[in-house]
Amino acid sequence: EAAVTQSPRSKVAVTGGKVTLSCHQTNNHDYMYWYRQDTGHGLRLIHYSYVADSTEKGDIPDGYKASRPSQENFSLILELASLSQTAVYFCASRETGGDSDYTFGSGTRLLVI
Amino acid sequence: GDSVTQKEGLVTLTEGLPVMLNCTYQTIYSNAFLFWYVHYLNESPRLLLKSSTDNKRTEHQGFHATLHKSSSSFHLQKSSAQLSDSALYYCALKGTGNTGKLIFGLGTTLQVQP
Repeated sequence: EAAVTQSPRSKVAVTGGKVTLSCHQTNNHDYMYWYRQDTGHGLRLIHYSYVADSTEKGDIPDGYKASRPSQENFSLILELASLSQTAVYFCASRETGGDSDYTFGSGTRLLVI
Repeated sequence: GDSVTQKEGLVTLTEGLPVMLNCTYQTIYSNAFLFWYVHYLNESPRLLLKSSTDNKRTEHQGFHATLHKSSSSFHLQKSSAQLSDSALYYCALKGTGNTGKLIFGLGTTLQVQP
């Protein structure tokens, strides 16, 4: 069964520290996305990628980097974690096609202290 | 730019009553794709409905929605709410361009009470 797997499921990070969130998909999808979920803000796009070795900025990229070393893997990197980055992060993949929908991972709950 | 509006942040209903969650959107793209996702606590968001056909009713798992391009709306409805319908519901619009990105509304939490 096609799947998107995120790790870790939850993490506590120290302000100023580096955090890497990982996402792995077995869907053979070209597109991958990182969203953050916050109460009152819904799901907001941070970075996305449509091919390996290339990433694009989403709507709220500041403070985040992304890496797509292969079709299957897509990481979100917080070089200097800040309190405002406390949120739930979702990775999703999508195949090419106008009405293709997302397959979401189970989310990573990040607490920055 | 593209946007999605879900005016209700929280909808509380008694079991058995009809459900209607509102969704309106803005886009310059004439062939808009609209989606409804449902997010149960501690699970992944998953697709509930999608449509790009004007004035055609789309149904799945007891829910239905009709895309009305004239009013830029894609409201989610169900005839009779169940306790298990309690969840966070997102309306989403496929953005213009080739990014494939979805633009989500703020979400509506549906609480169904006995």
